Amino acid sequence: DIQMTQSPSSVSASVGDRVTITCRASQGINTWLAWYQQKPGRAPKLLIFGASNLESGVPSRFSGSGSGTDFTLTVNSLQPEDFATYYCQQTNIFPYTFGQGTKLEIK
Amino acid sequence: QITMKESGPTLVRPTQTLTLTCTFSGFSLSTSAVGVGWFRQPPGKALEWLALIFWDDDKRYRPSLESRLTITKDTSKNQVVLTMTNMDPADTATYYCAHRDHEVTVRFWGQGTPVTVSS
Repeated sequence: DIQMTQSPSSVSASVGDRVTITCRASQGINTWLAWYQQKPGRAPKLLIFGASNLESGVPSRFSGSGSGTDFTLTVNSLQPEDFATYYCQQTNIFPYTFGQGTKLEIK
Repeated sequence: QITMKESGPTLVRPTQTLTLTCTFSGFSLSTSAVGVGWFRQPPGKALEWLALIFWDDDKRYRPSLESRLTITKDTSKNQVVLTMTNMDPADTATYYCAHRDHEVTVRFWGQGTPVTVSS
């Protein structure tokens, strides 16, 4: 299985801050990487697919980059609704695997 | 507009078999390269992929659970069914079904259905 390691596990930030979350794959996955946002009691919401493609309707303050084994999700100018848990997921090969999640909390 | 919805029991006894149904709309599971997958999330833990069925009836399973899982589709009813045998309290989780498109993107998710395994 491909292991997906996210860091940090949690981060505290203020409204208006910029936050970067990283995701490392245990082997190369090209750009078969998605980022999801999840709020308590809700289903995951797709933010980024193909490592860097912004999903329709997602604010442009979200961006993704990377290929191979190292990926980042950046949120510019944090808004109150951005405080949630974020997951990366690889779909390069089965089994699909997720990172352990990064909880973004209000400072 | 694609929608996904899970249904099934909220409480299952240990050793019993869980049967979950995903009913979807807005696409056909006979369309090339499309799939429907099942995922779960134990309370307070990360997401986990379980199984996926493709338009051509190809099936993939999480290796550690493969002996316990069966995924099937009924294209005429727009449904995908997941069965998991020999349920254990460690299988307590919210179970989600989701649409996988031809770009290998899991984009549309159901709201999830909570399942508790307890005697």
